[in-house]
Amino acid sequence: DADVTQTPRNRITKTGKRIMLECSQTKGHDRMYWYRQDPGLGLRLIYYSFDVKDINKGEISDGYSVSRQAQAKFSLSLESAIPNQTALYFCATSDGTGGAKNIQYFGAGTRLSVL
Amino acid sequence: KNQVEQSPQSLIILEGKNCTLQCNYTVSPFSNLRWYKQDTGRGPVSLTIMTFSENTKSNGRYTATLDADTKQSSLHITASQLSDSASYICVVSNTGGGNKLTFGTGTQLKVEL
Repeated sequence: DADVTQTPRNRITKTGKRIMLECSQTKGHDRMYWYRQDPGLGLRLIYYSFDVKDINKGEISDGYSVSRQAQAKFSLSLESAIPNQTALYFCATSDGTGGAKNIQYFGAGTRLSVL
Repeated sequence: KNQVEQSPQSLIILEGKNCTLQCNYTVSPFSNLRWYKQDTGRGPVSLTIMTFSENTKSNGRYTATLDADTKQSSLHITASQLSDSASYICVVSNTGGGNKLTFGTGTQLKVEL
């Protein structure tokens, strides 16, 4: 979805390097999420934020940190990248309405390789 | 542990044919079940969402069914097109807020001429 933009789209880095993945959205949504996708596994939640002052850990937050700089921006950082963080990373947004049917909209993903 | 299992892992069909993808889940307490389509190199896109009380939901040529008693869902694709080639992911939510989603690993569908 072009309304959710992730940068970079591809990144190769070395073990121990610090790296930041960025996500911006023009949908005006309050809620933003970071997921990773690995071959043979379903998407797993890393962190999520329901507004600028709200940050919550997901099921696999170890080794990651996030920053919600504004309603439209949510960045994911790997302080010291390791090879098992090689994965496809997705940012998603939702508006928090619709109750149980709250829909998440995903960016196109960032493919990260840690050598 | 909450789990979502999909079958088959992959499927090849001829253009114009129908197909059905399966999803079994053990997520509890159940809130809703979603089907997403993920094209290669793209993020997942929502196709349907069903709550406990809904046993069928359509979106064009896509029809999802839900049996909350047996904890099974299916996604039926009618008159397949080449553009249907993608991964189809079953996702189950166990809260009303949509932030606790359990994702299946997807069924990779390829539609050929």
